Amino acid sequence: GESVGLHLPTLSVQEGDNSIINCAYSNSASDYFIWYKQESGKGPQFIIDIRSNMDKRQGQRVTVLLNKTVKHLSLQIAATQPGDSAVYFCAEKLAQGAQKLVFGQGTRLTINP
Amino acid sequence: DTAVSQTPKYLVTQMGNDKSIKCEQNLGHDTMYWYKQDSKKFLKIMFSYNNKELIINETVPNRFSPKSPDKAHLNLHINSLELGDSAVYFCASSQVVNGNEQFFGPGTRLTVL
Repeated sequence: GESVGLHLPTLSVQEGDNSIINCAYSNSASDYFIWYKQESGKGPQFIIDIRSNMDKRQGQRVTVLLNKTVKHLSLQIAATQPGDSAVYFCAEKLAQGAQKLVFGQGTRLTINP
Repeated sequence: DTAVSQTPKYLVTQMGNDKSIKCEQNLGHDTMYWYKQDSKKFLKIMFSYNNKELIINETVPNRFSPKSPDKAHLNLHINSLELGDSAVYFCASSQVVNGNEQFFGPGTRLTVL
């Protein structure tokens, strides 16, 4: 299953399938891009980050892809499990200045059994 | 348990009242944050403190006053509460200033009637 930008806030996939969550960012000066997962009733939890000089980074069952040409970021989750059901946020951080994290809208991922 | 904790978890109050939310982290981090998450899940930074000093102060009404008595605590006091203040408030901490990996508390759901 695949979401399209921030205009599709929900995504449903079958357990065991791969999912792709997309994010469009606006600031070319962002130095880092980060993915967070927020389960229902909990605070956001860091998943993975990628620096702007990279185009791919892998973690455990997750891969983040960065396309600076079109200002696009994606999070791929392999072999989804029920515990992957959550809202996923992308965030960007500027290289200079306040360097705060600026969060995107979020995508709700639901894993169907 | 090592974590970021917040109290109270739920806060229901009348317009015009003054309330406080407390946050404590036992992760040994120097930097702490307050975020606001609205009903559409939009997450935005309000303040950040490093070693008890304010380093980020977003465009937040001065009715909101953070206080950091020590590195492990960052409390949020809100005066003259308004309906628009209803949201979930998250405290977070990180090992480095404006770190990509921030550890969030469970949130405080504030409802202003």
